[in-house]
Amino acid sequence: NAGVTQTPKFRILKIGQSMTLQCAQDMNHNYMYWYRQDPGMGLKLIYYSVGAGITDKGEVPNGYNVSRSTTEDFPLRLELAAPSQTSVYFCASSDDLDPDEQYFGPGTRLTVT
Amino acid sequence: KQEVTQIPAALSVPEGENLVLNCSFTDSAIYNLQWFRQDPGKGLTSLLLIQSSQREQTSGRLNASLDKSSGRSTLYIAASQPGDSATYLCAVTPLETSGSRLTFGEGTQLTVNP
Repeated sequence: NAGVTQTPKFRILKIGQSMTLQCAQDMNHNYMYWYRQDPGMGLKLIYYSVGAGITDKGEVPNGYNVSRSTTEDFPLRLELAAPSQTSVYFCASSDDLDPDEQYFGPGTRLTVT
Repeated sequence: KQEVTQIPAALSVPEGENLVLNCSFTDSAIYNLQWFRQDPGKGLTSLLLIQSSQREQTSGRLNASLDKSSGRSTLYIAASQPGDSATYLCAVTPLETSGSRLTFGEGTQLTVNP
């Protein structure tokens, strides 16, 4: 199993550009999450999904959108990039039976200039 | 709103030393607490999970304790090794949750010197 994979690993965006961060998992997990981690800070939840077709906002959803058309994929969309979105983004997934045991991807380091 | 704080922010110790990392949370209505390890450029790995009804959990040289009433948890690392160097984060799951919405602390960056 590849676990949770994220692409790209690094990206530099100009202010106002848009992009999609990709996340995929091959563990057949229903629960998936997007977090951001600013330097020296803990992770903050952006969006989460409890199954295909179901998404909900986390603590810091502004400026982001998500979709969940399949169990495997959970892309995160930035429509109008702003410097405040410079961060490391982590995707995670967990199983229904043990939702607290989250498996994390390696992260995407995004810089907006 | 739940807030999770970790002290110290950074810690440097010589190899072989026993050490304690601290985590505190403001709302005791939690379902469980987890300790994670984060290596540079990588994702998080769960080390220990303590249910709210438990007092401690152990895995090898790691021991985590939970005092829910006082809003505190500690991670004890025995006989530290250079390979233990990483950032350690604690996270709590609130009682009223859907999809396991973790609240993280800022982390403690640990360096174990050979």
